[in-house]
Amino acid sequence: AQTVTQSQPEMSVQEAETVTLSCTYDTSESDYYLFWYKQPPSRQMILVIRQEAYKQQNATENRFSVNFQKAAKSFSLKISDSQLGDAAMYFCAYRSFSTGNQFYFGTGTSLTVIP
Amino acid sequence: DTAVSQTPKYLVTQMGNDKSIKCEQNLGHDTMYWYKQDSKKFLKIMFSYNNKELIINETVPNRFSPKSPDKAHLNLHINSLELGDSAVYFCASSPGQGMISNEKLFFGSGTQLSVL
Repeated sequence: AQTVTQSQPEMSVQEAETVTLSCTYDTSESDYYLFWYKQPPSRQMILVIRQEAYKQQNATENRFSVNFQKAAKSFSLKISDSQLGDAAMYFCAYRSFSTGNQFYFGTGTSLTVIP
Repeated sequence: DTAVSQTPKYLVTQMGNDKSIKCEQNLGHDTMYWYKQDSKKFLKIMFSYNNKELIINETVPNRFSPKSPDKAHLNLHINSLELGDSAVYFCASSPGQGMISNEKLFFGSGTQLSVL
């Protein structure tokens, strides 16, 4: 089965600064999708950004961007100009098509934004 | 209108009881899931259904039984509740199995289950 690893249980960043959250995954598939989800204290799971494995260009969504390194199986999230509302748990996720359309999640990184 | 709705949002019950959590999606998706999020926030897949058929059944005690009356609903029944069942349970849906799609997983708002 595919595994997703987030090696940083907790991270902190000063407001307006930039922070990078790490994610690596293990797979033998060539086609798949990667996602970053945010879970604020409200508990709702919110999609932050997504990346298709066949695309070399890194996805960006406003202040959020990814560094996708397919050969290294790495998918890090960069948050620029951090805001207080960015404080949340962040989950990296892998979508597989060989195992019933399943999504695999990492263990999460808790991000604190310091005013 | 809420895309994936699950009820109740909070459920407090005694050990040994039987309870159900309901989930409905109005997105027309073929695939629905149940995830368990433990106290350490780890999200673990429990079940996945595609068009009312079970396609993923991870190592989950037999006390947990999903039921899908139609493709818009996936309910979770839990028998003989134990202290370790306390967690947040998320229902989710996505477009059909086998579709090459970058569609995200649509989550419900979660059910906080507390077993006393």
